[in-house]
Amino acid sequence: EVQLVESGGGLIQPGGSLRLSCAASGFTVSSNYMSWVRQAPGKGLEWVSIIYSGGTTYYADSVKGRFTISRDNSKNTLYLQMNSLRAEDTAVYYCARSTVHDYVWGSYLDYFEYWGQGTLVTVSS
Amino acid sequence: QSALTQPASVSGSPGQSITISCTGTSSDVGGYNYVSWYQQHPGKAPKLMIYDVSNRPSGVSNRFSGSKSGNTASLTISGLQAEDESDYYCSSYTSITTVVFGGGTKLTVL
Repeated sequence: EVQLVESGGGLIQPGGSLRLSCAASGFTVSSNYMSWVRQAPGKGLEWVSIIYSGGTTYYADSVKGRFTISRDNSKNTLYLQMNSLRAEDTAVYYCARSTVHDYVWGSYLDYFEYWGQGTLVTVSS
Repeated sequence: QSALTQPASVSGSPGQSITISCTGTSSDVGGYNYVSWYQQHPGKAPKLMIYDVSNRPSGVSNRFSGSKSGNTASLTISGLQAEDESDYYCSSYTSITTVVFGGGTKLTVL
């Protein structure tokens, strides 16, 4: 059974750093495409970042240069290192196993098949 | 990149059918068949209901169906049931920012 469990959220001051973890079971993280998606309180979903099975990473413009996605193959765990946090980063962060169509001429992020339960990050002084 | 446009709310009575629209542009919904729909109950994670415009994952009721015409995708729920009351989000691949979501639609079963 596929399972994703996020952790690491909490209250952090603006400008601070936090690292989120997403422990996976039932499949191998390194063989799949893994994303982070966030949802601000009372708002809609926003894609944040993705790491391809080959290691390539992409970021939303809103977090580029501040967030880093990575994985630990030995722990079968996905991470999101968040630096220079802002109030607008306050959200529930979900990790999600993603389906990507990867062709020679380009790659297409299609859908998010499995989601974790989310972890809340609150950026406030 | 603006979010895809969804109605803020829709409602229907048990047994009826409802349709939720999701309008984008030729750079996302209209340009690719990579449209998906998610159901999200309060305080829960989203759940994939439809992918690639009209495909249902295993375990999703056949009361849920998807379609697309031009720059607008649609999710139809037939035979409405109380447990269908939820928030629904559409999503599309976009050539600009990888993936864009709709603003969400609250479905109320009367």
